[in-house]
Amino acid sequence: GDSVTQTEGLVTLTEGLPVKLNCTYQTAYSDVAFFWYVQHLNEAPKLLLRSSTDNKRTEHQGFHATLHKSSSSFHLQKSSVQLSDSALYFCALSAGGNEKITFGAGTKLTIKP
Amino acid sequence: EAAVTQSPRNKVAVTGGKVTLSCNQTNNHNNMYWYRQDTGHGLRLIHYSYGAGSTEKGDIPDGYKASRPSQENFSLILELATPSQTSVYFCASGDERHNSDYTFGSGTRLLVI
Repeated sequence: GDSVTQTEGLVTLTEGLPVKLNCTYQTAYSDVAFFWYVQHLNEAPKLLLRSSTDNKRTEHQGFHATLHKSSSSFHLQKSSVQLSDSALYFCALSAGGNEKITFGAGTKLTIKP
Repeated sequence: EAAVTQSPRNKVAVTGGKVTLSCNQTNNHNNMYWYRQDTGHGLRLIHYSYGAGSTEKGDIPDGYKASRPSQENFSLILELATPSQTSVYFCASGDERHNSDYTFGSGTRLLVI
């Protein structure tokens, strides 16, 4: 089956620094869509970014990600983090026209002043 | 405003008791999903539905049942609750478009003692 791997369980950064959250995946399908969801404390996960086009940069709220099928990756980046970016970030994929989304284990991002 | 509403927000249940978690959506989405969230495991799919009267097993269905009596409502049922089912449960809705994203509810925090 499909799988999503997020290698960092916890990332702590100082405000103003750049961040890169890693996401790699495995799927037998070429028809895929990728998502980044963000979950703030005691809130529901909310869609941050989505992409299904290889090598195309997608941006939203200062974050960006590029799907690279050659390396099976969809890393999330931001050039300068803010205190309000502290949250849990999930990478996820939907493949083969499947309505189900498979989520990674999540990366908890903590930003310090 | 379209939304996914879960009830209750918090629940304490005794081992062996029956627990019903409810979800209502006003998005007019065909598809609905139940996930549980545990630290280190991300979001794992329990049951899902393609429409009224339909229920399908997800990745971790054991110990859970689901019911979809209408387009708007989707319930998760624990017939004999166990402490291992202590978790945060999220309901989500999504439309039937190819590789669509989800809208999540605010979650139900369940403690089984």
